[in-house]
Amino acid sequence: NAGVTQTPKFRVLKTGQSMTLLCAQDMNHEYMYWYRQDPGMGLRLIHYSVGEGTTAKGEVPDGYNVSRLKKQNFLLGLESAAPSQTSVYFCASSYPLGQAMNTEAFFGQGTRLTVV
Amino acid sequence: DAKTTQPNSMESNEEEPVHLPCNHSTISGTDYIHWYRQLPSQGPEYVIHGLTSNVNNRMASLAIAEDRKSSTLILHRATLRDAAVYYCIWPRTNFGNEKLTFGTGTRLTIIP
Repeated sequence: NAGVTQTPKFRVLKTGQSMTLLCAQDMNHEYMYWYRQDPGMGLRLIHYSVGEGTTAKGEVPDGYNVSRLKKQNFLLGLESAAPSQTSVYFCASSYPLGQAMNTEAFFGQGTRLTVV
Repeated sequence: DAKTTQPNSMESNEEEPVHLPCNHSTISGTDYIHWYRQLPSQGPEYVIHGLTSNVNNRMASLAIAEDRKSSTLILHRATLRDAAVYYCIWPRTNFGNEKLTFGTGTRLTIIP
């Protein structure tokens, strides 16, 4: 049982390049989330999904796009990377929140992205 | 969004209990209170959650005030491994569209 797996773990991009971060979970969770964490700061929600084929904006969605074509995968895309997007990106998944059982969210180990 | 207030930092001596407070004065009656922690260079991990009554698990206890406007995470005997940033969160019930948003948390330092 792998849990939540993020690919890649590290990446260096040049300004203007594009890339896609992959998040895969094997727990059959409905909800998936993408966060960014800048040095010394808390996590900020970029986008999230409450089910296959659905996505919604979080706190800081600008400059990012997401897709949830399969229940187990949540992709985060940067179309034209900027130095301000240098950060550690975390993915998470969970069953629906607000219920007594199974509300634990599981996080991946993060992707460290540097844009130069 | 669901707002919580936590102290920026706390210190505790090793092997002593730690009480981490959180204020969530605008929480509704159906919203669960969650606690997560983030160890250095790792992703967050779940600690505990509860609705009204106090909750215990192998990691910690959660004491929820009777009016639910505040809660306290209790680590019964802190170890060096408990040094982390602790986040108190309450996903606002939104008919299947809940989201998990983090504040700045409390940075807990354990003194050997």
